[in-house]
Amino acid sequence: DSGVTQTPKHLITATGQRVTLRCSPRSGDLSVYWYQQSLDQGLQFLIHYYNGEERAKGNILERFSAQQFPDLHSELNLSSLELGDSALYFCASSVGQAQETQYFGPGTRLLVL
Amino acid sequence: LAKTTQPISMDSYEGQEVNITCSHNNIATNDYITWYQQFPSQGPRFIIQGYKTKVTNEVASLFIPADRKSSTLSLPRVSLSDTAVYYCLVGLCYGGATNKLIFGTGTLLAVQP
Repeated sequence: DSGVTQTPKHLITATGQRVTLRCSPRSGDLSVYWYQQSLDQGLQFLIHYYNGEERAKGNILERFSAQQFPDLHSELNLSSLELGDSALYFCASSVGQAQETQYFGPGTRLLVL
Repeated sequence: LAKTTQPISMDSYEGQEVNITCSHNNIATNDYITWYQQFPSQGPRFIIQGYKTKVTNEVASLFIPADRKSSTLSLPRVSLSDTAVYYCLVGLCYGGATNKLIFGTGTLLAVQP
């Protein structure tokens, strides 16, 4: 158990819909990272937040957005969903924003029908 | 941005030493190299991290040549439970700013008895 929690574990929805994935970092960690993992694209970095502020963006679509709240939990919002958005979404947390170990959550498996 | 490539798969037997290499030709000056292990339906788990030369911990060693364009994860005396996908991750900027994080393509290590 990494100490990072993600909800829900599974999510099934339809094209065009909007969903919200939630992540609670390890106690004391200020950074949250979001990743998408699919069979054809592998592990893709989406976005990084540190202490409530966006620090870096990766391959995140404009239909996707995220935020980190004052209590340090984070939400990833996916809108206008397409079939190709079906994937595993992981969040990870670390103490700081430099070279610390990232601890990954168990992931949310999203299926868009 | 660093682009990372790894062998798709490797086979080994219990008790053998396994070396997995990751190529990252465009690594930036401040990028670190981190290796993760992932089991099916789980989030990646940190193995080891380094910047240059050699790093060793209780589970693995990481060899990084002077030009840093590749790195090799060495697993001593593997067991069946080491069967997993291994990813190298290149990125992060020491000092506070975060560069984009690039995961390798992943190497499926299959350990046989």
